[in-house]
Amino acid sequence: AQKITQTQPGMFVQEKEAVTLDCTYDTSDPSYGLFWYKQPSSGEMIFLIYQGSYDQQNATEGRYSLNFQKARKSANLVISASQLGDSAMYFCAMRGSYNFNKFYFGSGTKLNVKP
Amino acid sequence: DVKVTQSSRYLVKRTGEKVFLECVQDMDHENMFWYRQDPGLGLRLIYFSYDVKMKEKGDIPEGYSVSREKKERFSLILESASTNQTSMYLCASSLSRGPYGYTFGSGTRLTVV
Repeated sequence: AQKITQTQPGMFVQEKEAVTLDCTYDTSDPSYGLFWYKQPSSGEMIFLIYQGSYDQQNATEGRYSLNFQKARKSANLVISASQLGDSAMYFCAMRGSYNFNKFYFGSGTKLNVKP
Repeated sequence: DVKVTQSSRYLVKRTGEKVFLECVQDMDHENMFWYRQDPGLGLRLIYFSYDVKMKEKGDIPEGYSVSREKKERFSLILESASTNQTSMYLCASSLSRGPYGYTFGSGTRLTVV
């Protein structure tokens, strides 16, 4: 069975500081993809970053980076230099190789950036 | 700009009504999905479709059905709405292969009274 766990329901960070959002996963698929999405209060889910299980390097996209530790089955999102516009819900998701079409989502982390 | 469009942003329906939620994508994606989102539970998959007229149950299909008559359109149907179906409904689409994630619509917040 596939499972994504986000243990931080809510977090605060000071503007301009870095923040790490935790994500652990469980899968028996030989290969898989890990994704992070941002959901502002408007409701739309915005794709942030992708990490393939066989990628040798951690993924980076601008201020977002993914700290991928395969042996620990963790895929934490790091946001550097937080901005007020980063305040949102953040979801970690996984797609396996056996059922490629289906994503599994964590319960989300609500990030609040303080001025 | 590529898009997934959900027909309504907010809906209020009465218990027992038949409710249609529509989703249209313009990216020629094979796969389309319906999720519901509830606080503390994350996103739960209701149904998905990987081709026209094809559908598969997700994790919580009870009380819902779907229709995909055209590749770009995926409809979620609540046969007889109940108050426990009050939720945010998100439609998404994706390609069948490649390191691509979902593209989501902006969501429909449904309230059943």
